[in-house]
Amino acid sequence: QVQLQESGPGLVKPSQTLSLTCTVSGASISSGGYCWTWIRQHPRKGLEWIGYIYYSGSTYTNYNPSLKSRLSMSVDTSKNQFSLEVTSVTAADTAVYYCARDRAPHGAFDSWGQGTLVTVPS
Amino acid sequence: QSALTQPASVSGSPGQSITISCTGTSSDVGVYNYVSWYQQHSGKAPKLMIYDVTNRPSGISSRFSGSKSGNTATLTISGLQAEDEADYYCTSYTTSNTLAFGGGTKVTV
Repeated sequence: QVQLQESGPGLVKPSQTLSLTCTVSGASISSGGYCWTWIRQHPRKGLEWIGYIYYSGSTYTNYNPSLKSRLSMSVDTSKNQFSLEVTSVTAADTAVYYCARDRAPHGAFDSWGQGTLVTVPS
Repeated sequence: QSALTQPASVSGSPGQSITISCTGTSSDVGVYNYVSWYQQHSGKAPKLMIYDVTNRPSGISSRFSGSKSGNTATLTISGLQAEDEADYYCTSYTTSNTLAFGGGTKVTV
């Protein structure tokens, strides 16, 4: 059974960088075949696709165009983790951040982390 | 504003069937059979219920079914049960090589 777990600071100051890590167990990121994805949910709002990273010897990333200039994703195969960085955060980046596995990459997220709330004070 | 349009709320009585629509455009729902549906209970992570318009992952009840016509995808829940009360989201792959979510629908039983 695949399990994902997000970790990172719950509070980030405005203009700083938000950094989150997703630890995967029960599956190997380096085996390929899946897109490792970040999704966020603003308080009492809907879901927003942030982007994904795919690894199969080399990495490929695909980001939400509305966030692309501030995003960076990476993979650490030795720890079976993937990470997200969002630079220059504002209060609008306050959300629950989920990591998920996309089996396609067409939006079929079959495994999710429990989510982690990141707050950026205004 | 979400890229895909869903009704804000849908309600039904136990045992009834309900449908949730997800309307997109010819750049997403209308052109690809890559629509998925998620169930989210309060305070929990979303759960995949339907993928590729009609497919159910292993372990998902056959009471959940999906379809698509033109630019609109539909999730049907038959034999409505109390445990089905949750928020439901659709998502679609787009011609921009991105993923769009619907705004979500609150189902009340």
